[in-house]
Amino acid sequence: GNSVTQMEGPVTLSEEAFLTINCTYTATGYPSLFWYVQYPGEGLQLLLKATKADDKGSNKGFEATYRKETTSFHLEKGSVQVSDSAVYFCALGAQSEGGSYIPTFGRGTSLIVHP
Amino acid sequence: DARVTQTPRHKVTEMGQEVTMRCQPILGHNTVFWYRQTMMQGLELLAYFRNRAPLDDSGMPKDRFSAEMPDATLATLKIQPSEPRDSAVYFCASGLPGHNYGYTFGSGTRLTVV
Repeated sequence: GNSVTQMEGPVTLSEEAFLTINCTYTATGYPSLFWYVQYPGEGLQLLLKATKADDKGSNKGFEATYRKETTSFHLEKGSVQVSDSAVYFCALGAQSEGGSYIPTFGRGTSLIVHP
Repeated sequence: DARVTQTPRHKVTEMGQEVTMRCQPILGHNTVFWYRQTMMQGLELLAYFRNRAPLDDSGMPKDRFSAEMPDATLATLKIQPSEPRDSAVYFCASGLPGHNYGYTFGSGTRLTVV
């Protein structure tokens, strides 16, 4: 079956530091890959996505590249801000054998950015 | 921006009481999910609807939970009777079918059963 593995958190950084959150996946076929962000007290928000190999998704200074050869979709940001503190979820979307499109989420990685 | 609306935002209830959570998906979205989020288990899929028909509710405890979509603008999740272990944040998400699309989540209902 499909699965997503994320690095465990929390990830603690100082403001303006470089961020990497690792994500690897297992899936049959050609899934789409997503990063969602969850701020305290809110639901998940779609941050970026990539739908085929070598695509780069980007939004709000975050980016991730769909690497089929390493089955990875690592999230990066060059200079984090305190306002980036949140929980980040990697997810994949693929059609199941039964024809449904239920997304598979990772466990989430908490990011804490200190001033 | 279009939003998924969930009510209530917070609910405190006594064990054994019925709880109903509601979700208004984004107009035009025909795919709806219910998730439960806890610290221990993370995000758990409870139910999945397409065009108002339940396609997967295998993650839902059938003896006490039920999910319905009486019309395209309303999805409901009921717990009867509620138990303390049901305390969690319940999210509704809507979207379009197909694995290229992301989904829009509501702000959740934080349920506390005492």
